[in-house]
Amino acid sequence: EVQLVESGGGLVQPGGSLRLSCAASGFTFSDHYMDWVRQAPGKGLEWVGRTKNKVNSYITLYAASVRGRFTISRDDSNNSLYLQMNSLKTEDTAVYYCVRLSLVQELNNYYYMDVWGKGTTVTVSS
Amino acid sequence: QGVVTQEPSLTVSPGGTVTLTCASSTGTVTSGHYPYWFQQKPGQAPRTLIYATSNKHSWTPARFSGSLLGGKAALTLSGAQPEDEADYYCLLSYSGIYVFGTGTKVTVL
Repeated sequence: EVQLVESGGGLVQPGGSLRLSCAASGFTFSDHYMDWVRQAPGKGLEWVGRTKNKVNSYITLYAASVRGRFTISRDDSNNSLYLQMNSLKTEDTAVYYCVRLSLVQELNNYYYMDVWGKGTTVTVSS
Repeated sequence: QGVVTQEPSLTVSPGGTVTLTCASSTGTVTSGHYPYWFQQKPGQAPRTLIYATSNKHSWTPARFSGSLLGGKAALTLSGAQPEDEADYYCLLSYSGIYVFGTGTKVTVL
């Protein structure tokens, strides 16, 4: 069974740091791109960023709101995705979802978001 | 990147048809924005319904379809079921940076 399980959420003070993890199972993790998406309480979804796979040089992309503060990384040997969050602000309070992207060769090697984790909650508050 | 706007709420009768739209502040939405549509029910993670304008995932019910309509991305629900009551979000790519829409709450009543 394909599964994504996020962990590492919790309460942190403004200006602090936190590292989220996403454990993947049931598929060949190294073949896929991976995204982080977040959702503030009672609000809509916000794309946080992406890591591509080894074939695509592990390129990372970020939303403007987190660029320079958040870093996405992956460990293909451990089937894990990470989100290092520094200089946290109260507006970073959200549920953070890990999302898998799969290749669609018929669409010019396009990767699409297909599987979502259940999320982990981050609260930034003093 | 642009701001992506959706209708805040829509109501559809059981068995009826409703169309949700997704507009970009930068102009016409095209296939190059690779529009997605996601469904989210209360307390659950989102799930992907449509990607790259009109492509369905294996679990996407046939009553959902995606298209480009009048300069926007569109999601049409034909033959609405009570279980389709949910929040729906679109997502657009701006040269690899993605922006979610504001979301539409669909009520089946």
